[in-house]
Amino acid sequence: DAGVIQSPRHEVTEMGQEVTLRCKPISGHDYLFWYRQTMMRGLELLIYFNNNVPIDDSGMPEDRFSAKMPNASFSTLKIQPSEPRDSAVYFCASSLASRETQYFGPGTRLLVL
Amino acid sequence: QKEVEQNSGPLSVPEGAIASLNCTYSDRGSQSFFWYRQYSGKSPELIMFIYSNGDKEDGRFTAQLNKASQYVSLLIRDSQPSDSATYLCAVDGGATNKLIFGTGTLLAVQP
Repeated sequence: DAGVIQSPRHEVTEMGQEVTLRCKPISGHDYLFWYRQTMMRGLELLIYFNNNVPIDDSGMPEDRFSAKMPNASFSTLKIQPSEPRDSAVYFCASSLASRETQYFGPGTRLLVL
Repeated sequence: QKEVEQNSGPLSVPEGAIASLNCTYSDRGSQSFFWYRQYSGKSPELIMFIYSNGDKEDGRFTAQLNKASQYVSLLIRDSQPSDSATYLCAVDGGATNKLIFGTGTLLAVQP
């Protein structure tokens, strides 16, 4: 398997623009997680899905953030409008079951100017 | 109180020494414990997981779990410069289906 795939790998945008991050989980994994990592706050869970259904979005910082999983092989995280404080590395991870090993994608490095 | 705590380091050890990384957690209901390694600019990758009290060994790595004291540790024997990275401890969130990550310990192995 190719592992978790994320795109784009790097994104530079201007404040106020819409940003869409994409993730393809490992085939057969029922859980998908979106994380954000910064130096100040470390690795934060934003939202996770089980069988394409959002289960816990308590980590989503505000209404500017939204996530969808229309099918088992694709998820998006959208920021609209983006702000400089959203600059971070965004990771997608997937796992076979809850409380089991999560496999991380390469991340998307987002810079909002 | 943070749910998963780690010393941020940096922890500096000479090449060939044993590196000891520690992690404490707050939820007594946690059942699964993980150690991830993250090189600068890369994504976290799993080193080991442990579910039962005691030690679990895999090559140069040993994970130790003590549920009564609510700590989990990672020992790296014969440390190599290539082990220099940030080590993240992750603990399942008890009644939830998510992992709680510590902020990581930066390990520097000096040649």
